[in-house]
Amino acid sequence: GENVEQHPSTLSVQEGDSAVIKCTYSDSASNYFPWYKQELGKGPQLIIDIRSNVGEKKDQRIAVTLNKTAKHFSLHITETQPEDSAVYFCAASRDTGRRALTFGSGTRLQVQP
Amino acid sequence: DVKVTQSSRYLVKRTGEKVFLECVQDMDHENMFWYRQDPGLGLRLIYFSYDVKMKEKGDIPEGYSVSREKKERFSLILESASTNQTSMYLCASRTGGEDEQYFGPGTRLTVT
Repeated sequence: GENVEQHPSTLSVQEGDSAVIKCTYSDSASNYFPWYKQELGKGPQLIIDIRSNVGEKKDQRIAVTLNKTAKHFSLHITETQPEDSAVYFCAASRDTGRRALTFGSGTRLQVQP
Repeated sequence: DVKVTQSSRYLVKRTGEKVFLECVQDMDHENMFWYRQDPGLGLRLIYFSYDVKMKEKGDIPEGYSVSREKKERFSLILESASTNQTSMYLCASRTGGEDEQYFGPGTRLTVT
């Protein structure tokens, strides 16, 4: 089955700096890669996703890049703000069959004001 | 707005008890999921359901069962709770034609 590894487990940045979280996956047939943000006391919420037919996707201060050859993808947050502080999870799945997500272990991001 | 609700935010049970965790979604989603979340392990899929009365094992189904008698409700059952089932349990739902999963707020279960 799929295995997703995520690094780092914790990340502390100053407000206004950039943050990068990296994930690798094992199943070459995976082609859907979402990122979820979990704030304290809440369930995870989708913030951005990418499919394997594109290499990069941006949404305001958030971007995701995908290198399908190397089987890794990354989340980039620019101009970080205190409200970006949360736990971030990457995930991977195939487009067919059960389409169940395999999640990474999570990254706790702390943005220092 | 999609809303996924879980019956309890916090639950304390004793070893050997039968435990029911309930999840309800209000958006007529076909797919529903149960995950457990543990520090350093992320979210791991326990069971999921494609439709009423249909269920499929996830990656860690041992010690759990599920029930989906109505489309909006997906129940996770711990037949005989054990201390290693102390965890945060998250329910999610998704419509069949889309990718985004919508999560409930979670139930923190402690088994003593």
